[in-house]
Parts: sequence; C-alpha cells; structure tokens
Amino acid sequence: DAGVIQSPRHEVTEMGQEVTLRCKPISGHNSLFWYRQTMMRGLELLIYFNNNVPIDDSGMPEDRFSAKMPNASFSTLKIQPSEPRDSAVYFCASSLVTGPLTEAFFGQGTRLTVV
Amino acid sequence: AQSVSQHNHHVILSEAASLELGCNYSYGGTVNLFWYVQYPGQHLQLLLKYFSGDPLVKGIKGFEAEFIKSKFSFNLRKPSVQWSDTAEYFCAVILSNSGNTPLVFGKGTRLSVIA
Repeated sequence: DAGVIQSPRHEVTEMGQEVTLRCKPISGHNSLFWYRQTMMRGLELLIYFNNNVPIDDSGMPEDRFSAKMPNASFSTLKIQPSEPRDSAVYFCASSLVTGPLTEAFFGQGTRLTVV
Repeated sequence: AQSVSQHNHHVILSEAASLELGCNYSYGGTVNLFWYVQYPGQHLQLLLKYFSGDPLVKGIKGFEAEFIKSKFSFNLRKPSVQWSDTAEYFCAVILSNSGNTPLVFGKGTRLSVIA
C-alpha cells in the first residue's frame, strides 16, 4: 500500500483565497484524522471521522474551516477565506480501528503558506 | 481533558551520548501510550507503543520507553544516539477504554545530534 496520500505537498496562496487540501487514507482504514502542526501550538487535532462520519470537529479553529469525507477513500479540508495565520503543515492520518486506536498512519503533510 | 507534556523543547547531544526525553500525561485512567518520530521534512512515524504488560517497551532503531504508572510518565530513551536520530519526537496518549478516539500529542521535542 502507498500509505496515506496527501495533496498538494506545498501550497502558497494569497490571503482571502480558498484552499482545499486532499487526503486519501490507506485502503480499508475506517478512521481519518486531520491535524495541524505549527511551531507555537505543536500538533493539534482539527477533526476526525469514523466510517466517513465526522465525530468531533471541536478542534476546527473557526467557521472558515470545513472538512468532508464523501467516501471511505477520500477526504478534504477546506479553508475559505484563508488568512496568514492559517500557515502551517496539515497532516492527515488514518487507522483501522475495531476498538481502541492502536496506531495512526500519517501522510507526508501539506505545507500551507498564506501570504 | 487529557493532556501530554514534553518537558524539553530542544535537546542537543553529541553522537554516542545517551538520550532521555520526558513525557507526562494528565489522565489517571488506563491509557495507551505512543512515541512518534518526525525526521526533517517527513511525516510522523511510529517509534513504539505501550498497551499493557511489560512497562519497558522496545521500539525501532534502538529506542525504548518505560511506562511508570505512579509518575504518569512514559520517557523515551536511547543509550547511544547517532547523527541520524536528529528529528522531532512526539509523545501521544489515548484512553484505552474510550472506544474510537484520536491520539492526543505533546508539543514535541526537537533533538539535534552533533558530531
């Protein structure tokens, strides 16, 4: 398996533009997580899905952020409008969970720069 | 809410020095514990994990961690570091009986190994 695949790897955009980050989890995994990594705050959980259903989005910073998982093999994280403070590395992770989480597999991340 | 504290933000060691990175968690219930490593420019990879049994856990690349329940700690150790161990290290925790919940990460410790 190719692992968790994220695209794009790098994104530079102007303030106010819409940004869409994409994630393809490992085939067969039933949980998907979006994390944001910054120097100041470390790794923060934004939202996670179980069986394509959003379970907890309390980590989403504000209404400008939205995430969807239309099917088991694809998820998006959208920021509209983007702001410079959204600049960070965004990681997607997936896991096969039948009980407590045993391990999460991370993608390579998307480095977002909002200028 | 659960939280994970990593005491050292940045550790600088010479090659062959011994390493110990501190990790404490706040929850008093039964937990599963993890250490992840992030090499420069790469995604997070699992180093080791503890679920139950022997509190001394062996991981990849010569790393080990000891779970001390009375101290709520899960410190990472390596007897002799190499230049290639330069990376950021993250401790993470979940409640072991909480069902399908995501990892909660510490803010990370950056390790720099110099020749």
